Amino acid sequence: SQQGEEDPQALSIQEGENATMNCSYKTSINNLQWYRQNSGRGLVHLILIRSNEREKHSGRLRVTLDTSKKSSSLLITASRAADTASYFCAMLSYNNNDMRFGAGTRLTVKP
Amino acid sequence: EPEVTQTPSHQVTQMGQEVILRCVPISNHLYFYWYRQILGQKVEFLVSFYNNEISEKSEIFDDQFSVERPDGSNFTLKIRSTKLEDSAMYFCASSGTGVEQPQHFGDGTRLSIL
Repeated sequence: SQQGEEDPQALSIQEGENATMNCSYKTSINNLQWYRQNSGRGLVHLILIRSNEREKHSGRLRVTLDTSKKSSSLLITASRAADTASYFCAMLSYNNNDMRFGAGTRLTVKP
Repeated sequence: EPEVTQTPSHQVTQMGQEVILRCVPISNHLYFYWYRQILGQKVEFLVSFYNNEISEKSEIFDDQFSVERPDGSNFTLKIRSTKLEDSAMYFCASSGTGVEQPQHFGDGTRLSIL
């Protein structure tokens, strides 16, 4: 299974600090995506990184991918209280059309 | 911005009954998905659907489950003979012209089996 493992499970920081979340997976992937979920809501796509890419940026988000280590990280810079949510990585493999999610990191940003 | 809509937002059903969860994907999307999330747990893939047929399904998606696109806009998940452990949030998602594209999620249906 290419389901991801994320760490930490929970992260609590002060507003203005950076937050880093990590994701590891087991099999070859086509791409890796990061999603955000506010409590009781659906998932919102944040960023997609393909297997031949090493880094992508989107606003305050920076994602890295190391396929040799089968790992990815999501960095949120200058965090805000509104960034409080759960963040999930999701892997799409080459072999099939299903996307498998990690267990998520619960981020709390204190004002 | 177009969005995926799901109805109802909350469904309460007696164990053993059948439920149908409804989704309206984004209109020009071609790939459709169902996921479930048991309270406090990870999001689990159930099924993907393309060109009017199932393209992938997980080990969770057994004979109790079925999906249908009855018309040009709706995408439904049917759960027959519901069990207590079917209680979860069920999310519908759609993506554009390829499975490699980002998926857009609805806000989910909370299914409670009594």
